[in-house]
Amino acid sequence: AQSVTQPDIHITVSEGASLELRCNYSYGATPYLFWYVQSPGQGLQLLLKYFSGDTLVQGIKGFEAEFKRSQSSFNLRKPSVHWSDAAEYFCAVGSTSGTYKYIFGTGTRLKVLA
Amino acid sequence: DSGVTQTPKHLITATGQRVTLRCSPRSGDLSVYWYQQSLDQGLQFLIQYYNGEERAKGNILERFSAQQFPDLHSELNLSSLELGDSALYFCASSVDRAETYNEQFFGPGTRLTVL
Repeated sequence: AQSVTQPDIHITVSEGASLELRCNYSYGATPYLFWYVQSPGQGLQLLLKYFSGDTLVQGIKGFEAEFKRSQSSFNLRKPSVHWSDAAEYFCAVGSTSGTYKYIFGTGTRLKVLA
Repeated sequence: DSGVTQTPKHLITATGQRVTLRCSPRSGDLSVYWYQQSLDQGLQFLIQYYNGEERAKGNILERFSAQQFPDLHSELNLSSLELGDSALYFCASSVDRAETYNEQFFGPGTRLTVL
């Protein structure tokens, strides 16, 4: 069965510092991968997605992610974090078992220090 | 604003009661997905409806049920509520016209508190 692991529950970075959030997936074929962000009190917003092609994917708000098949990873990066990036980030893999539902990781809560 | 609306925003009720959560998908989206987000279980897929018909079930309890109406809005019914049902319930919608993954757009959620 497909699964997603986000090994970091909490991450704290200073404003202006670079950021990398880790995501590892378990999947038999080429996965459909997503990163979502959840701001406090808000729903989830799609940051970026990977279906195929270029393994470096650009998203909104200056985020990017790189798909590495050899490492089963899809890490999210941002070169310079802004205070408004403080939120919870979810990695998800698209399941193919019967329907197009997502399997989410447990999330990484990002704190940004001024 | 994702275009997906959910009502109510907050719901406080007692154990043993029944509640209904409502979701209106984005205009043109045929699929509605329900997710439960709790502290101990994370974000879990419950059920999906596509154009009025149930398409897939996830970790949905037998006490829970859902339906999608001809106007494509959906309702999630939770009955015989237990303390552990306290969670944030999200609805998401997607076009799902082609046999591939489409972006799911999430509503703001309904926070259910069972006392």
